Amino acid sequence: EPEVTQTPSHQVTQMGQEVILRCVPISNHLYFYWYRQILGQKVEFLVSFYNNEISEKSEIFDDQFSVERPDGSNFTLKIRSTKLEDSAMYFCASSGEQGYYEQYFGPGTRLTVT
Amino acid sequence: EDQVTQSPEALRLQEGESSSLNCSYTVSGLRGLFWYRQDPGKGPEFLFTLYSAGEEKEKERLKATLTKKESFLHITAPKPEDSATYLCAVQMKTSYDKVIFGPGTSLSVIP
Repeated sequence: EPEVTQTPSHQVTQMGQEVILRCVPISNHLYFYWYRQILGQKVEFLVSFYNNEISEKSEIFDDQFSVERPDGSNFTLKIRSTKLEDSAMYFCASSGEQGYYEQYFGPGTRLTVT
Repeated sequence: EDQVTQSPEALRLQEGESSSLNCSYTVSGLRGLFWYRQDPGKGPEFLFTLYSAGEEKEKERLKATLTKKESFLHITAPKPEDSATYLCAVQMKTSYDKVIFGPGTSLSVIP
């Protein structure tokens, strides 16, 4: 069964460093998303991406964040200058045109900023 | 302010003991309501999408229903493998993709 994959599973970085979280969505999907979940808190929408551009972003997705689909398979989230409060689980998700609202989530990357 | 709440926060059931989880929402126009299952350390797993009041969806032991103010996830004769956190999320008509998640209900089914 096709699935969304994410790498790395755990990333530790120092405050102020840049990190890139990587995702491989399901191959025939067209819509891509990033979410985050701070430990013990709700899942929060960050950004959606379609047709090589951002469709929508939340208030959380400020100038330190960026997304990119550098090739036909990868979807990345870059955090330019990490802060302690960026520590969270980051989930990538994708959906296809047939099931636009049916989002398939990856296993997540746990980001720890020290 | 758009808001999603879920109750109870945690629920322990004996295997076979049916129950319901609640998701209440206050949003300025609902486009869709989603139910997900999340196992510890994993990403949410899609279960259902509901679009309008009165709609019902079923999958195995789960049935989701929707009214104008809330949704219920009914679990019939649960098994231990149904133990997980169940998340509700809503999308507003004012959004293309943004969803607001509730805090979840942690379900434990005891053999």
